[in-house]
Amino acid sequence: NAGVTQTPKFQVLKTGQSMTLQCAQDMNHNSMYWYRQDPGMGLRLIYYSASEGTTDKGEVPNGYNVSRLNKREFSLRLESAAPSQTSVYFCASSEGGTTHGDTQYFGPGTRLTVL
Amino acid sequence: QQPVQSPQAVILREGEDAVINCSSSKALYSVHWYRQKHGEAPVFLMILLKGGEQKGHEKISASFNEKKQQSSLYLTASQLSYSGTYFCGVGTDSNYQLIWGAGTKLIIKP
Repeated sequence: NAGVTQTPKFQVLKTGQSMTLQCAQDMNHNSMYWYRQDPGMGLRLIYYSASEGTTDKGEVPNGYNVSRLNKREFSLRLESAAPSQTSVYFCASSEGGTTHGDTQYFGPGTRLTVL
Repeated sequence: QQPVQSPQAVILREGEDAVINCSSSKALYSVHWYRQKHGEAPVFLMILLKGGEQKGHEKISASFNEKKQQSSLYLTASQLSYSGTYFCGVGTDSNYQLIWGAGTKLIIKP
């Protein structure tokens, strides 16, 4: 049982390049999330998917797109990377999705630098 | 609006106690506590819900004051393994998606 996995672990991009961050979970969870973490700011929600087939914007969605490929996989795409998108990106999943008592399980993170 | 955590950082000796606070300007429905070690993912510690329900780590306790819109995490007889940054995430009546605090860095020295 691997939990939540993310690829790649590290990535360096040049301004304007595109890339997709991959996330998969093997816990049969309904909900999945993408966060970014910047120094001193905690976690900020980019997009989430409450269930397979649905996606919704979070707090900071500009510059990103997501795809819930199936129940297991949730990808985050940067179409034209900008230096402001330099951050650590975490994917998370939870069982229920639309309740307050849901525990979120986090992946190991992707450290992205945009030059 | 981001909840406010205090203190921002604290240094303790092994065996000492610590209290970490999380305050919100909005009415809260849930408070989630996580610990993150450097370079790692956040790990779940505890959930506190409006009405008193709690679930989480056996050796960690927390309180949730609904009227004051605050939660406190209590770490007693701290161990070296407690070191890390502690985050609170809050859910409000109108939004179950969590808004996270900036974190409290806890350093435990032997």
